[in-house]
Amino acid sequence: DADVTQTPRNRITKTGKRIMLECSQTKGHDRMYWYRQDPGLGLRLIYYSFDVKDINKGEISDGYSVSRQAQAKFSLSLESAIPNQTALYFCATSGPTVGLETQYFGPGTRLLVL
Amino acid sequence: ELKVEQNPLFLSMQEGKNYTIYCNYSTTSDRLYWYRQDPGKSLESLFVLLSNGAVKQEGRLMASLDTKARLSTLHITAAVHDLSATYFCAAAGETSGSRLTFGEGTQLTVNP
Repeated sequence: DADVTQTPRNRITKTGKRIMLECSQTKGHDRMYWYRQDPGLGLRLIYYSFDVKDINKGEISDGYSVSRQAQAKFSLSLESAIPNQTALYFCATSGPTVGLETQYFGPGTRLLVL
Repeated sequence: ELKVEQNPLFLSMQEGKNYTIYCNYSTTSDRLYWYRQDPGKSLESLFVLLSNGAVKQEGRLMASLDTKARLSTLHITAAVHDLSATYFCAAAGETSGSRLTFGEGTQLTVNP
């Protein structure tokens, strides 16, 4: 089974709708991240969490919110989706040793906002 | 603010040839990563470079790090079609902890 899973894998929604993307990991890592990928822009960090009680904004957090329900679960919400949030979204975890860790990515969620 | 730039962004090469992808970063970095992404797939970690002069090799790929020049390279030797993918470098700044800043990615196509 995959260490980092994301649901749904594909989602089509309409402008103004609220949607949630979910991420679960079995690697036992404390650190989790949400990125979006747009063609030609690489990956950009939306939010990150270093433990259950820690939530931090990344470089493009406007229009997004997150919830860290447990060590293994980190959800990303779009409160009112807009078309320029159409992108590929990745969840990642990192560990095990702070300062030497590697980030491990989920399979991605492809989101289309009409 | 840490910025990471890759070049070239697109690379089309023939099987059997050698080439290098360059990754420049703007401020001091603790760690430099290389990832591979196949079309429609997730990112796979290739290399982690932790110190000046670090060199790592896996098959036809070799990555190196020059922290003084703020430059990492990914060298491809005798390319084969299976290496066709997008390659990303990512850097962790000295004050950014675990957060990574990614380059734009280099889309590599290896033609028979």
